[in-house]
Amino acid sequence: EAAVTQSPRNKVTVTGGNVTLSCRQTNSHNYMYWYRQDTGHGLRLIHYSYGAGNLQIGDVPDGYKATRTTQEDFFLLLELASPSQTSLYFCASSDGQRANTEVFFGKGTRLTVV
Amino acid sequence: GNSVTQMQGQVTLSEEEFLFINCTYSTTGYPTLFWYVQYPGEGPQLLLKVTTANNKGSSRGFEATYDKGTTSFHLQKASVQESDSAVYYCVLGRGSALGRLHFGAGTQLIVIP
Repeated sequence: EAAVTQSPRNKVTVTGGNVTLSCRQTNSHNYMYWYRQDTGHGLRLIHYSYGAGNLQIGDVPDGYKATRTTQEDFFLLLELASPSQTSLYFCASSDGQRANTEVFFGKGTRLTVV
Repeated sequence: GNSVTQMQGQVTLSEEEFLFINCTYSTTGYPTLFWYVQYPGEGPQLLLKVTTANNKGSSRGFEATYDKGTTSFHLQKASVQESDSAVYYCVLGRGSALGRLHFGAGTQLIVIP
């Protein structure tokens, strides 16, 4: 069974604060993704990566940076957090090499910016 | 551009009733389409997928048919159970990295025992 682990599971920060969300996958997958989930929008892709050192821009990248340090580890960085970034964040991984690939999600990190 | 429309924000049924969740999409080419399900406190997980090759998918009693003519991808189940209560997302897979998923807004299914 694929495993994607996110930390922390909950985080509260102040406006203008610096936050790093962490994600580790043990599936040996090439692709990793960061999504945010908001009511009325479903999940929206922030950034993704197809390997260590690689970064691709998703659909809602503004205000976010990401870094893929190893095949297993993918980080999402909010350097000047704003209340509009209060959301539930999901990390995911996939093989990406085959058509119809399944994407495996972590349990999410709930971020509140006050 | 790419879009996925789920008009039903919430559906409430009694056990053993028929489920139908409407989904339409807009994109270029022939995408891969998925239904993902999300239980409370969990991330979304794949329920079923359909490609242009087979047009139909099924899993755990759920079925979905891909209609290119009407660009629809509705989800059905003949008889729901309380354990089916969850949020269901219609999802478009696109691009060379097929994990680049485009989600609909989701439909909350509540099944009353």
